[in-house]
Amino acid sequence: ETGVTQSPTHLIKTRGQQVTLRCSSQSGHNTVSWYQQALGQGPQFIFQYYREEENGRGNFPPRFSGLQFPNYSSELNVNALELDDSALYLCASRPQDRGGTEAFFGQGTRLTVV
Amino acid sequence: AQSVTQLDSQVPVFEEAPVELRCNYSSSVSVYLFWYVQYPNQGLQLLLKYLSGSTLVESINGFEAEFNKSQTSFHLRKPSVHISDTAEYFCAVSDLRTDKLIFGTGTRLQVFP
Repeated sequence: ETGVTQSPTHLIKTRGQQVTLRCSSQSGHNTVSWYQQALGQGPQFIFQYYREEENGRGNFPPRFSGLQFPNYSSELNVNALELDDSALYLCASRPQDRGGTEAFFGQGTRLTVV
Repeated sequence: AQSVTQLDSQVPVFEEAPVELRCNYSSSVSVYLFWYVQYPNQGLQLLLKYLSGSTLVESINGFEAEFNKSQTSFHLRKPSVHISDTAEYFCAVSDLRTDKLIFGTGTRLQVFP
């Protein structure tokens, strides 16, 4: 059973650019969440997808968008990058969209905006 | 709205000593409670969780946490720590309706020989 994998592991972008981060869910998991973890902080919920539909969103601007594909893999897109977007982006998958089930996290993508 | 407070940003301790990492939460609804551990340059790993039932939950590597509803706390304890326990520990809540996890700011546990 493969775990949650994210790509790339590290990325450097310039302010104003756009970035796409990718996540492959653990086998059998149909719910994917994305979190932003700034340096020295706890992860902050960005949004969640269940069966290709967004079903929850945190306090992030619309330039943060996402997709979930039929195979339950997911993308996080960020437009018009700002310096404060520099963070570790974590993807988590779970087997269903019900609270209490364990969320399995990937190792994250470290995004640096310069 | 829910929130999580981890009062200690850093906890230094010597190997084989006991440790307690504090976590308090605020919520107007019933919640699930979690402790996650993050080793350097890695993602989060679930350490233990409280969903219902017994208020004392244990992990396979000797950690335990007790849910105290009256004090809205979910402190993490270990009677004897190892060097390998050095990591960042995050307390989190999620309510019964949504899936999103609300994390605290984390506690850095540093175990010294």
